[in-house]
Amino acid sequence: SYELTQPPSVSVSPGQTARITCSGDALPKQYAYWYQQKPGQAPVLVIYKDSERPSGIPERFSGSSSGTTVTLTISGVQAEDEADYYCQSADSSGTLFGGGTKLTVL
Amino acid sequence: EVQLVESGGVVVQPGGSLRLSCAASGFTFDDYTMHWVRQAPGKGLEWVSLISWDGGSTYYADSVKGRFTISRDNSKNSLYLQMNSLRTEDTALYYCAKDVVPAEVHYWFDPWGQGTLVTVSS
Repeated sequence: SYELTQPPSVSVSPGQTARITCSGDALPKQYAYWYQQKPGQAPVLVIYKDSERPSGIPERFSGSSSGTTVTLTISGVQAEDEADYYCQSADSSGTLFGGGTKLTVL
Repeated sequence: EVQLVESGGVVVQPGGSLRLSCAASGFTFDDYTMHWVRQAPGKGLEWVSLISWDGGSTYYADSVKGRFTISRDNSKNSLYLQMNSLRTEDTALYYCAKDVVPAEVHYWFDPWGQGTLVTVSS
């Protein structure tokens, strides 16, 4: 079955750049979306259609796509960015999410 | 401001039934496809079901097909999820979420409610 694969964890120091990848065979043909989920809170959309940023999301969040991998980049990471991040894309029977990546700000 | 407020989550025995509700406000409810997405404790996100803006189309994840039924009442700005034959693996926080583009289905969720907890246990 189709899967989206994310690293379980990424750690960065404040002010550095965090890159979270998501790999899947269908990603060259389907858009990817990224959600941020802080502890005890609902997910929030931070990137749509691979690289578009919703209004209200800080400019330090960006997305890119290359082949079977999409990447969420957070430039100048702040302590408040510590959260779980999930990628999402379409599959043959609807949609699926990656397993999530815990971003730790050291 | 768009608001989605879920309710109905309780502790239920395996094999039991439950109906979840989601009250929507701050947008034209009958213009948008709506979804249920769940998250088991300490686990990731799993899409469960969608219903189109007019209720004419419904889709389900294979894991719930034949057991769960999604519906909506546009006159009450409300979304529902009827859950039958519940299993321990259905234990999760259930979120309702709004699709983004009116009168279309895009599997693109913004915003989400705060969720309601369903626990299936004997």
